[in-house]
Amino acid sequence: GAVVSQHPSRVICKSGTSVKIECRSLDFQATTMFWYRQFPKQSLMLMATSNEGSKATYEQGVEKDKFLINHASLTLSTLTVTSAHPEDSSFYICSVPGQGAYNEQFFGPGTRLTVL
Amino acid sequence: AQRVTQPEKLLSVFKGAPVELKCNYSYSGSPELFWYVQYSRQRLQLLLRHISRESIKGFTADLNKGETSFHLKKPFAQEEDSAMYYCALSNYGQNFVFGPGTRLSVLP
Repeated sequence: GAVVSQHPSRVICKSGTSVKIECRSLDFQATTMFWYRQFPKQSLMLMATSNEGSKATYEQGVEKDKFLINHASLTLSTLTVTSAHPEDSSFYICSVPGQGAYNEQFFGPGTRLTVL
Repeated sequence: AQRVTQPEKLLSVFKGAPVELKCNYSYSGSPELFWYVQYSRQRLQLLLRHISRESIKGFTADLNKGETSFHLKKPFAQEEDSAMYYCALSNYGQNFVFGPGTRLSVLP
């Protein structure tokens, strides 16, 4: 399966600042990556689909201007949480779709964001 | 609309006992179904997929289209099976919907 990394693993920031989270596909090129959000003791919720070279596709209810996604290369997608507020505190996880006959996804280790 | 339900938030069994984690889905087409597992402090990882009809770590899952279910089973639970289990549905890579998850606790 795919090897996916995320950086940073943990970040604490002040309210009103912006935070950038990187997702890298380490062993193959990914034209698509997915960003999820997971609140404590809850399931993953898809936020957006990151498309290399074009605009991201956001799920209903996710603010595009709040969560900026850039997929500038086939191995890197970034999620920037702009003007972060305490309610944005969450676990952000990216994934890369499998390359074979199956449509499973391979997940990064996640980034814990805490906004003070 | 696509939806995945896992009725049990927490399931506790004794070591050596059989375990069944329930998953039901709603989807109008032919879905692809997966089970993912998240061990403590580790990333989400694929356990098994319905299409390959495999057995991983002693776990199996059969897709029952009539009952729209994809329950995960293991005849003899081990302590190392304790983890969070998520059932997921894929619309051929277009969407990926997760169930709420079931925490399995295997007691010694």
